[in-house]
Amino acid sequence: DQQVKQNSPSLSVQEGRISILNCDYTNSMFDYFLWYKKYPAEGPTFLISISSIKDKNEDGRFTVFLNKSAKHLSLHIVPSQPGDSAVYFCAASAGGADGLTFGKGTHLIIQP
Amino acid sequence: GAVVSQHPSWVICKSGTSVKIECRSLDFQATTMFWYRQFPKQSLMLMATSNEGSKATYEQGVEKDKFLINHASLTLSTLTVTSAHPEDSSFYICSASGLAGGPPYNEQFFGPGTRLTVL
Repeated sequence: DQQVKQNSPSLSVQEGRISILNCDYTNSMFDYFLWYKKYPAEGPTFLISISSIKDKNEDGRFTVFLNKSAKHLSLHIVPSQPGDSAVYFCAASAGGADGLTFGKGTHLIIQP
Repeated sequence: GAVVSQHPSWVICKSGTSVKIECRSLDFQATTMFWYRQFPKQSLMLMATSNEGSKATYEQGVEKDKFLINHASLTLSTLTVTSAHPEDSSFYICSASGLAGGPPYNEQFFGPGTRLTVL
C-alpha cells in the first residue's frame, strides 16, 4: 500500500525549460512534505520542504506547491540545468519524530 | 552542513554470516537515527527508528531479531544484519536527526548508504 506515489518513473526536459515533478499521497495524517535528490549508490540530499499549513515554498530555482484538498504536491525546477539530472524522491512525515515515507522516485533527465 | 557517514560503503558476505553497518553523525549529536532500505528501482523503506539509549522501534514486517539496532551514543548507531541471506541484499541508508523534542524534518540528514550483497 503506497502512501506516497510518484507515478512518473522518468521525465525528460530540455535544458533551460521548467521541470515539474509530481507526487500524490493518501495518508491525511501527513503534515510535512520533503523533496530529495539522489544519485545512484548515494544517500538522498535534501532539497526543499513544505508544511501542510502552506501551499507554496520557494528556494532559488526550486518551488514546491502543495494542494491539500487534492493530496498532491509538485516540485518545479526552473530553469532546468544538466546538473539537475538525478532521481527525485518525494517524502512525507506524519509529525513528531517519525521516519519518512518515500515515493518510488522520478528519474529526471535534462537534455542539452 | 551536518554530515552523516556510514561504514562500510559496500560489503559482500556469505549466507549465514552477520554484518554490522555503522552510522555516525560527524558534527552534531543525533538524538534520533533512522534506518532505511532500498531495493533496486524502489523507494526507500523505513526499517526502524532508534533513539539514543533506548530500544529501537521497528516498522511492521521488519524482524527485530534479524536486524539488530544499537544507538549507544549520540553520534553512533549500528545495524547488524544477523544470519544474512541473499534476500537481505540491498542498499541500507541511515539518517540522523539532531533536534531534541521537535520536528526533525529539516534536520534529518542522510548517510551515503551501504551496499550489502549476500552470496
